[in-house]
Amino acid sequence: DGGITQSPKYLFRKEGQNVTLSCEQNLNHDAMYWYRQDPGQGLRLIYYSQIVNDFQKGDIAEGYSVSREKKESFPLTVTSAQKNPTAFYLCASSISRFSTDTQYFGPGTRLTVL
Amino acid sequence: AQKITQTQPGMFVQEKEAVTLDCTYDTSDPSYGLFWYKQPSSGEMIFLIYQGSYDQQNATEGRYSLNFQKARKSANLVISASQLGDSAMYFCAMREQVIIQGAQKLVFGQGTRLTINP
Repeated sequence: DGGITQSPKYLFRKEGQNVTLSCEQNLNHDAMYWYRQDPGQGLRLIYYSQIVNDFQKGDIAEGYSVSREKKESFPLTVTSAQKNPTAFYLCASSISRFSTDTQYFGPGTRLTVL
Repeated sequence: AQKITQTQPGMFVQEKEAVTLDCTYDTSDPSYGLFWYKQPSSGEMIFLIYQGSYDQQNATEGRYSLNFQKARKSANLVISASQLGDSAMYFCAMREQVIIQGAQKLVFGQGTRLTINP
């Protein structure tokens, strides 16, 4: 089945540690996105990538880093510089970067800092 | 300035009734797109329906329809014959064009929690 997978579903981190969230898609989509959702809030864009080896900062990129070495993979690293990383993280993809394309989402990773 | 406004934090509806979820937006871009997503308690975001700013007719997808009033800048979601499984958070989102990079960006509202009562 085609889709977007995210792992792990739940992640616990100690303060000061970096953690990496996985996002994989087999939809052959060019564009991929990372969003953060806080309780009772909408989604905010962290990073996005339009093609392999290219990515841009979104609205809240500070304390996060990404890579896009393969078309199907767009991992997100939450660094120790992120002051309040506890949140729900959603990865999305779209066919291309063009404006008429719908973004489809993965199941999400819930990160908790202990 | 908030670009997507969902004024209903929560709504309670009886099963089989129709329900309208409100969404107003603000943009100066003549070309834009409006999306509705459903987020059940599991957390995944499920795409429901899309309306382009130049579309002549209101979008429909099964039991979902979008009441698009361009002059009022509103894009309300209508769910007909509601079901227990419709209980979830619903988010309205607007696609913004990022001119320099040429990429699209979605801006989300705060969401409306819909509860369907049996």
